[in-house]
Amino acid sequence: DAGVIQSPRHEVTEMGQEVTLRCKPISGHDYLFWYRQTMMRGLELLIYFNNNVPIDDSGMPEDRFSAKMPNASFSTLKIQPSEPRDSAVYFCASSLLGSGGKAFFGQGTRLTVV
Amino acid sequence: GEDVEQSLFLSVREGDSSVINCTYTDSSSTYLYWYKQEPGAGLQLLTYIFSNMDMKQDQRLTVLLNKKDKHLSLRIADTQTGDSAIYFCAESGIAGTYKYIFGTGTRLKVLA
Repeated sequence: DAGVIQSPRHEVTEMGQEVTLRCKPISGHDYLFWYRQTMMRGLELLIYFNNNVPIDDSGMPEDRFSAKMPNASFSTLKIQPSEPRDSAVYFCASSLLGSGGKAFFGQGTRLTVV
Repeated sequence: GEDVEQSLFLSVREGDSSVINCTYTDSSSTYLYWYKQEPGAGLQLLTYIFSNMDMKQDQRLTVLLNKKDKHLSLRIADTQTGDSAIYFCAESGIAGTYKYIFGTGTRLKVLA
């Protein structure tokens, strides 16, 4: 398996624009997580899904953030409108219940909002 | 509440052992993990331990869990320059949920 695949790797956008981050989890995994990493706040869990259903979105910072998982092999994290303080590295991870709960991370998307 | 704390920096000489410590607050964790992050990369799972275990050894890595004190440590034997990275501990299975809570990360610098 190619692992968790995220796209794009880097995104630079202007304030106010819509940004969509994409994630393809490892095939067969039933949990998918979105994290945000910044120097100030470390790794923050934004939302996670089980079998494509959002379980906990309490970490989503504002209504500007939304996440979807239309099927088992694809998820998106959308920010609309984007703001400079959204600049961070966004990670997607997936895991399989019963496998020791091991989460595997993608390479991340580095978002810069100018 | 959910809180995972680590010291920010650790510096060791090549060939020495490194010990990275982590404390957590939620005693209902099912699994505890150690992840490694190299610059510009994602997090790589190094090892994990089930909460009913005290110790786990995996080649150069030894994980110790003191559940009473809610303390987790990672020992890296014969530390190499390639071990320089940020190390995160994480817990999951809190209160029956399946989310992972990560620590603040410890930046390990290995001096040649």
